[in-house]
Amino acid sequence: GNSVTQMEGPVTLSEEAFLTINCTYTATGYPSLFWYVQYPGEGLQLLLKATKADDKGSNKGFEATYRKETTSFHLEKGSVQVSDSAVYFCALSDRASGGSYIPTFGRGTSLIVHP
Amino acid sequence: SQTIHQWPATLVQPVGSPLSLECTVEGTSNPNLYWYRQAAGRGLQLLFYSVGIGQISSEVPQNLSASRPQDRQFILSSKKLLLSDSGFYLCAWSADRGNSPLHFGNGTRLTVT
Repeated sequence: GNSVTQMEGPVTLSEEAFLTINCTYTATGYPSLFWYVQYPGEGLQLLLKATKADDKGSNKGFEATYRKETTSFHLEKGSVQVSDSAVYFCALSDRASGGSYIPTFGRGTSLIVHP
Repeated sequence: SQTIHQWPATLVQPVGSPLSLECTVEGTSNPNLYWYRQAAGRGLQLLFYSVGIGQISSEVPQNLSASRPQDRQFILSSKKLLLSDSGFYLCAWSADRGNSPLHFGNGTRLTVT
């Protein structure tokens, strides 16, 4: 079956530091890949996505590149801010045996940014 | 534009009481609908998903059930709540396309006492 593995947190950084959150996946098909962000007490929001190999998704200074050869989709940001403190989820969407697209989520990585 | 509404935002219920959480989507038709639970520890547990009216798939056997009486309405229910049902419940929708992301509601914080 499909699975998503992302690094355990929490990740603790100082403001303006470089961020990397690793994500690798296994899938039976050719999935689309997503990063979501969850702020405290809220639902998840789409941060960025990529739908085919070598695509780069980007949003709000965050980037991730779909690497099919390494089955990875690592999230990066060059300079984090305190407001980036949240939980980040890596996810894939692949066609299930019944024909519909069912998402698979990683366990989430908490990011804490200090001033 | 599409919107998703989930209510209530918070709920405190005694053990053994019934539960009904409702989710509605506006601005799209025939969405895939999902119920997730998020316990302390942040992981998302898929409880139910639906690809059409009356079509419900259960991912985890437990004392919860789901129904989809209308195209854009998804209801999570229980006849008798357990302490272990406490958590943060999230409804979401997506188009049935591989590149379609999930759009989440703001969640319901359920505390069973």
